[in-house]
Amino acid sequence: GNSVTQMEGPVTLSEEAFLTINCTYTATGYPSLFWYVQYPGEGLQLLLKATKADDKGSNKGFEATYRKETTSFHLEKGSVQVSDSAVYFCALFSSNTGKLIFGQGTTLQVKP
Amino acid sequence: DGGITQSPKYLFRKEGQNVTLSCEQNLNHDAMYWYRQDPGQGLRLIYYSQIVNDFQKGDIAEGYSVSREKKESFPLTVTSAQKNPTAFYLCASTPGQPNTGELFFGEGSRLTVL
Repeated sequence: GNSVTQMEGPVTLSEEAFLTINCTYTATGYPSLFWYVQYPGEGLQLLLKATKADDKGSNKGFEATYRKETTSFHLEKGSVQVSDSAVYFCALFSSNTGKLIFGQGTTLQVKP
Repeated sequence: DGGITQSPKYLFRKEGQNVTLSCEQNLNHDAMYWYRQDPGQGLRLIYYSQIVNDFQKGDIAEGYSVSREKKESFPLTVTSAQKNPTAFYLCASTPGQPNTGELFFGEGSRLTVL
């Protein structure tokens, strides 16, 4: 079946450091890929998405590229801020099933 | 403003009691979802509904029940058969036609079993 695997956290960085959160997936067909973010005490919100191979999603300085050859969708940001501290979820959507499947989440803590 | 409203935000329950979590959306979305979130396990799908009067089991449906009598509403009942119900529950919706997987989430309900 379809699945998503994220790097384990927590990830602790200093402000202005470079961020990478790894995400790999297993899926049949051509899924869409997403990154969602959850700030403390809140629900999730969509950060970025990519719907086909080689697409790059970007938002708020974050980027991720849909790599079909390596089945990956790693999240990157060049310079993190304290306000980026949150839990980040990689997710996969299959139109065949109508289900959105999440990775286990990676907690990011950015220190001033 | 359009959005998804979950209630209550916090709920305490004694063992052996059923409890119903409310989820209402005014986004005119066709599809709605319930997820359970536990520390270190991410989100796991409980039930989902792509249209009114129809719903499917997700990966961890045992001990839960849902109904979808109205487009706007998708309540989740946590029954006494759910062995470990203490968790954070998230409801979500998406336009559904076509369903792109881009979900809009409520702010969640935290259930604690005493």
